[in-house]
Amino acid sequence: QSALTQPASVSGSPGQSITISCTGTSSDVGGYNYVSWYQQHPGKAPKLMIYDVSNRPSGVSNRFSGSKSGNTASLTISGLQAEDEADYYCSSYTSSSTPYVFGTGTKVTVL
Amino acid sequence: EVQLVESGGGLVQPGGSLRLSCAASGFTFSSYWMHWVRQAPGKGLVWVSRINSDGSSTSYADSVKGRFTISRDNAKNTLYLQMNSLRAEDTAVYYCAREMAMGSGKDYWGQGTLVTVSS
Repeated sequence: QSALTQPASVSGSPGQSITISCTGTSSDVGGYNYVSWYQQHPGKAPKLMIYDVSNRPSGVSNRFSGSKSGNTASLTISGLQAEDEADYYCSSYTSSSTPYVFGTGTKVTVL
Repeated sequence: EVQLVESGGGLVQPGGSLRLSCAASGFTFSSYWMHWVRQAPGKGLVWVSRINSDGSSTSYADSVKGRFTISRDNAKNTLYLQMNSLRAEDTAVYYCAREMAMGSGKDYWGQGTLVTVSS
C-alpha cells in the first residue's frame, strides 16, 4: 500500500485561504468516506483536524474544512494564521491488506 | 480527561526485541479500537498496527507483519506492541492513538516514545 500523495509544501499570507490535496485511489480515498486530516507541530503529537472527509472534532476551528471528489480529498484552511504553520497529513481507510494509510505530508508555511 | 501515555522505548541492537506500552485513562478503554503509528526522524507518519476493542482482531502494516504483535489488557487499560527482530529502519517515535469509530479518525494520541535500533 503506497502512501497517499500530498504536495510537499503550501504557503500563504495571513488571512488568505490555502488548500492541501490528498490523492489516492478507488481502493482508499475514492472508496470510503473515512478520510481524516492531522496537524502536527514540530516535536508534538499529531492532532485530529477533520474526520470522515468533512467533520470537525469539537474544539477545532471552523477555519478548517474538508471535502472529497473522486480519489482526491482536500483540506482548506481559511483566514490563515501564524499558528497554522505546521505539517499536515491526510489518512484513509483502505481495502488492502494494510487497512490504513497516511499521506506523504504537507508543510504549511505562513508568509 | 483522556490521556494516553507511552513507555518502553529506548536503544536496542539490530535483531533485538522491545515491548512498548500505552497506558490509557479518562475513557472506557475497552470500548475503543486502538492503533500504533510511527514516525522516523524527519519523516512522515506511518500506520503500524491496529487492534479491536476486545483484542480479537488485529491488523499490521506489511513492513512489520510477522515481527510485531499488538495486544491489549482491558483490565489494566493498557495497549502493547511487542517488537521482535528489530531493524535499523524501525527507528522512530511510536505513538499510540484511539480510533473514534471503525475506520474513522484517531482523536487522541500519546506523546510518543522513541525507539532507536542501532549497534
